[in-house]
Amino acid sequence: QVKLVESGGGVVQPGGSLRLSCAASGFTFRSYAMNWVRQAPGKGLEWVAVTSEDGGWQNYAQSVRGRFTIYRDNSYSTLSLQMNRLRLDDTAVYYCVRDWSVELWGQGTLVTVSS
Amino acid sequence: DAVMTQSPLSLSVTLGQPASISCRSSQSLVYSDGYTYLTWFHQRPGQSPRRLIYKVSSRDSGVPDRFSGSGSGTDFTLKISRVEAEDVGVYYCMQNTHWPRTFGQGTKVEIK
Repeated sequence: QVKLVESGGGVVQPGGSLRLSCAASGFTFRSYAMNWVRQAPGKGLEWVAVTSEDGGWQNYAQSVRGRFTIYRDNSYSTLSLQMNRLRLDDTAVYYCVRDWSVELWGQGTLVTVSS
Repeated sequence: DAVMTQSPLSLSVTLGQPASISCRSSQSLVYSDGYTYLTWFHQRPGQSPRRLIYKVSSRDSGVPDRFSGSGSGTDFTLKISRVEAEDVGVYYCMQNTHWPRTFGQGTKVEIK
């Protein structure tokens, strides 16, 4: 069964750091680009970052560029998002999403930035 | 950035009646390969989004044929031919032609 399972969410103070993980199973992870997309409580969807199939290319939303880093480990079929210098407006459910075509979504993990 | 504008932002529909959602982009979504990367998602309350339509009009596996997508260039439409109870939720369009990827604001569909 094809599955994406996010973890690592929690409560963090402004200026703090957090690392999210996404465990992929049921498909050949290294064959797909991977994204992070987030959704603030009660709000719409915002694309955050993407990494290519081999991890050699990344792109970011302007709102997170320089603070967040997306990376992957194809040996372990894992996608990660290192989030530094977190701000109140980074509070959201973070989804791991497969492929350039944004086709398959995980269940999400909630990140709350609060003092 | 390509700004995606959906209308209406909310829709109240009688069961069995049709529904239509518009999505307009501030830039052409035709990519250099000739394809137009406009995608529609449905998000039920408390669930993750699910992709319905990609490349304007291609339905994902398992998506009922009452859902259809159309449009070109900058103007796109999602139509539900006969709304069913399970169709409630929020519908989003997204462009994956340009960087950064951008979403519409979402259209909330409820049953009248």
